[in-house]
Amino acid sequence: DAGVTQSPTHLIKTRGQHVTLRCSPISGHKSVSWYQQVLGQGPQFIFQYYEKEERGRGNFPDRFSARQFPNYSSELNVNALLLGDSALYLCASRGLRQGYEQYFGPGTRLTVT
Amino acid sequence: AQSVAQPEDQVNVAEGNPLTVKCTYSVSGNPYLFWYVQYPNRGLQFLLKYITGDNLVKGSYGFEAEFNKSQTSFHLKKPSALVSDSALYFCAVRDGSYSGAGSYQLTFGKGTKLSVIP
Repeated sequence: DAGVTQSPTHLIKTRGQHVTLRCSPISGHKSVSWYQQVLGQGPQFIFQYYEKEERGRGNFPDRFSARQFPNYSSELNVNALLLGDSALYLCASRGLRQGYEQYFGPGTRLTVT
Repeated sequence: AQSVAQPEDQVNVAEGNPLTVKCTYSVSGNPYLFWYVQYPNRGLQFLLKYITGDNLVKGSYGFEAEFNKSQTSFHLKKPSALVSDSALYFCAVRDGSYSGAGSYQLTFGKGTKLSVIP
């Protein structure tokens, strides 16, 4: 089975622009979470979606939004980009029948200039 | 609120020697604990977890971890380190008493860089 996939791999944007990151979970997984990992830090929780509904939100501004589609893939949107938004954005999925661990994708490296 | 502390930014160990990467946690309910490894320019790879049961849990690639409730610790161990174990290791916790919204939010430590010297 394919793991969690994310696109694009790398992205360079300018301050003030908008960005959309995409994630496809492992087949059969209905829960998707997004994390931001700033260089030198551990991942920080942004959102969790399950069955297309937001189930959790971390301490991030309203510029960050997300959604989950009927096929359980997900998008993370960030508006009005700031230099501080430069980070590795990780998507993780989890299935109902497995344990409590989440499985992470390779991430999208976002650079804001 | 839940939190994780990894007190060592870096751990150096000689190949073949045992290794330990330390983690302490704080949660209000029952802790669900995880270790992940991250190789350069890659996502996080799941190593092992503690949910309930035996305090010593075994995971991938010969790693194990010991849960100590009284010390609120979950140290990662391996009897004999390999050069290929060199990577960034993250400890994470989830409060097991939560259900419903946000229940799968993981809180991560800052990470410990493990260097295994040949």
